[in-house]
Parts: sequence; structure tokens; C-alpha cells
Amino acid sequence: GIQVEQSPPDLILQEGANSTLRCNFSDSVNNLQWFHQNPWGQLINLFYIPSGTKQNGRLSATTVATERYSLLYISSSQTTDSGVYFCAPRREKLTFGTGTRLTIIP
Amino acid sequence: GAGVSQSPSNKVTEKGKDVELRCDPISGHTALYWYRQSLGQGLEFLIYFQGNSAPDKSGLPSDRFSAERTGGSVSTLTIQRTQQEDSAVYLCASSLGGGAIYEQYFGPGTRLTVT
Repeated sequence: GIQVEQSPPDLILQEGANSTLRCNFSDSVNNLQWFHQNPWGQLINLFYIPSGTKQNGRLSATTVATERYSLLYISSSQTTDSGVYFCAPRREKLTFGTGTRLTIIP
Repeated sequence: GAGVSQSPSNKVTEKGKDVELRCDPISGHTALYWYRQSLGQGLEFLIYFQGNSAPDKSGLPSDRFSAERTGGSVSTLTIQRTQQEDSAVYLCASSLGGGAIYEQYFGPGTRLTVT
């Protein structure tokens, strides 16, 4: 199956800072989703982005499928952004990375 | 509209007992997935239902695990003779269709603790 690597594994930032989370995957994919798992464990859909760039408020994502990576940008971080961010590319099945744990300090 | 719902939210059971976990997908979604999230293994696929097709059971870790989907809607994941390594959060997801182009939406999960 697809191997998925996310970096960094942990990130601690001051409120208001910007960040870039990276997802590398080992094979061509048909689909890629980014999720935010909040402190209560709920997986929240952020982006469905098999290729190209999308923006939603302070968040944006870019997937370069030919180079097998995706990036999630978070600008002007807020404490509510804390949690674990997962990318999940899909070839046949959705395969999750190990996540980036983001902690935003007030 | 309503999202994916799961019940119970928490379940504590004794080793050796059977448990049933329930998932109600988003109305109109034909595809339903079960995943498991545990500390050692991360988020892993268990089983996938699409319409009336035979389910993809390739992720089930042992024959103690089974799942069914009645009427193309509600699904039940059953774990027989539970073991301590079954302790995890069990997540259900649904999507409008079964192909890779469809976005999956997750429920809040059932936290299973086997004592």
C-alpha cells in the first residue's frame, strides 16, 4: 500500500504565527483529504484536494500529485487550531499518515 | 444536515465478551467505511460497504471481527471474544459514492476499552 509521511510530527507555535505542514506519499493517488482531529477526537474535513490549490479562510492546501506531496498552510494561528492534522491520500483505500500534532499557545 | 452518528460513544467491556458498535451514515450516502484508531497503529482501514456489492473486508484484523450493513444504511461492527488489544477508537465514515473521487465524512467514534 501507499506509504504516507507527515512532517513535522510536532509543532508548537505562538498564537498568530503561520505554519506549513507537509505530507509525502509514495505512489500516485486518485484523491487526497486533509483532516483536523480536535481534542475531542472528532475528525473534521478540511480539504479534498487531489491536485492544485484550495483556500478556505485562514487555511489553504496545495497538492502536487506528480511530485507526490501535499502542503497545508495555516495562517494567523488561533488556539482552536490545536489538535492533530492528518493527510490521507487514496489510491484504492484512504491511507492515513501519522499526523502532525499542532499546539497553539496563547 | 445531520452528520455520521455512532453509538455508543464509549464502551467498557470485559475481556472475552462480545460487543456491537453502531454507525448511522449521512442520509443518501451509499458508501460506508469502518476504521480503527489505536495508539500503536494509527488510523487503519477495517471494512468498506458500497451499495449492494460484497463488502471489502481486507482490513479486518481477525475473524473475531465482522460487520454488516442492513438496508444499505445502518451498519454494525461486531467484535467477538474481545481482547485487550482491541481497545481503540472505532470510527465510521460515509461518502456519497464508493469511488476515490468522493470525500469521506467521519463520525465521532466509539471508544472501546477492554479490561
